[in-house]
Amino acid sequence: GAVVSQHPSWVICKSGTSVKIECRSLDFQATTMFWYRQFPKQSLMLMATSNEGSKATYEQGVEKDKFLINHASLTLSTLTVTSAHPEDSSFYICTSFSGTYGYTFGSGTRLTVV
Amino acid sequence: ILNVEQSPQSLHVQEGDSTNFTCSFPSSNFYALHWYRWETAKSPEALFVMTLNGDEKKKGRISATLNTKEGYSYLYIKGSQPEDSATYLCAPVGNSNYQLIWGAGTKLIIKP
Repeated sequence: GAVVSQHPSWVICKSGTSVKIECRSLDFQATTMFWYRQFPKQSLMLMATSNEGSKATYEQGVEKDKFLINHASLTLSTLTVTSAHPEDSSFYICTSFSGTYGYTFGSGTRLTVV
Repeated sequence: ILNVEQSPQSLHVQEGDSTNFTCSFPSSNFYALHWYRWETAKSPEALFVMTLNGDEKKKGRISATLNTKEGYSYLYIKGSQPEDSATYLCAPVGNSNYQLIWGAGTKLIIKP
């Protein structure tokens, strides 16, 4: 079946630094990638939707200059949290969508900003 | 945007007992409903995709029903086993952009 490899699985960074999270689709092409964030005891909340080769569409309240999403190829999408602050500490997970495989999840990234 | 509620938030069940939990969503603008099983440190695993009112799907000891008119779905687990311990998430799809709108999940803990 389809696999999306997400790295890193966890990261601790200092406040003010940037962190890049990668999602790679293995053996299939991910036309669309959804990026979600989950705070403790809350639902997964959609941050943005990206399609290969075009700018990401951000949900209301999500700062596009802070959460940079790049979907330069059909197998790689990245989320960069710029100038991270403690309030950005959260669980981030990507989900690809393809016509063949439907939704395929990464394993998530636990970000802690200290 | 759909408002999705799952209940209960958490559930402790004795091994061997059967259990069920609920996903509620607005019945308007419904397109499909996904159920996922999510174990810690793993990717969510797809259980079911349901689209039709009255639909019932089964996978081993797990089954699900769908009522699109009243906006709810039930997930049933028969004869719970320790490996069933996980968070069960439902996600209706409410528009043509394929965006999943997630419930907060039901955390199921099976007590041996």
